Amino acid sequence: NAGVTQTPKFQVLKTGQSMTLQCAQDMNHNSMYWYRQDPGMGLRLIYYSASEGTTDKGEVPNGYNVSRLNKREFSLRLESAAPSQTSVYFCASSEGWGWETEAFFGQGTRLTVV
Amino acid sequence: DAKTTQPPSMDCAEGRAANLPCNHSTISGNEYVYWYRQIHSQGPQYIIHGLKNNETNEMASLIITEDRKSSTLILPHATLRDTAVYYCIVRVRGGSQGNLIFGKGTKLSVKP
Repeated sequence: NAGVTQTPKFQVLKTGQSMTLQCAQDMNHNSMYWYRQDPGMGLRLIYYSASEGTTDKGEVPNGYNVSRLNKREFSLRLESAAPSQTSVYFCASSEGWGWETEAFFGQGTRLTVV
Repeated sequence: DAKTTQPPSMDCAEGRAANLPCNHSTISGNEYVYWYRQIHSQGPQYIIHGLKNNETNEMASLIITEDRKSSTLILPHATLRDTAVYYCIVRVRGGSQGNLIFGKGTKLSVKP
């Protein structure tokens, strides 16, 4: 049982390049989330999707877009990468909406923008 | 959401109980206390949650004070693999808000 799978695990981008971080879950969860984590800080919510077909902004959405492709997949896109977006990105999913049930996290994508 | 306060770091001897405190003095009646941990370079992992009664599972116990203004996560027999950052989060269960906010947590170091 894979749980939450993120790809890629590592990525280096040049300033201005674009890329999409992929996330897929195999637990039939309704809600999915994207977080970023910077050194010395907790996790900050970028975007979330309460259910298939809906997405909403979190705490730090600027510079990002998301797509809930289907119930399994939730992607995060950086249209024009900036050094400030260097971070570790985590995708998560939960069965229920919000904190109704526990959330499961992927192993993270380590992104460096130079 | 109610804010939480945790000590930035704690040490614990291997095999002893680790008691991690969390203050949430502004918690409201419908807010739950959740605990997650993050082992270095991995994604966060759910540990336990509770409303007002004490809870126990295979990983830990959660003790919530009667006034619900603070709680303690107990790892009964800490091992080196329990070294991690532990996050205490207070949230409305099933709430309409999507913001799942993690603070800076407590860095627990289990020492031999």
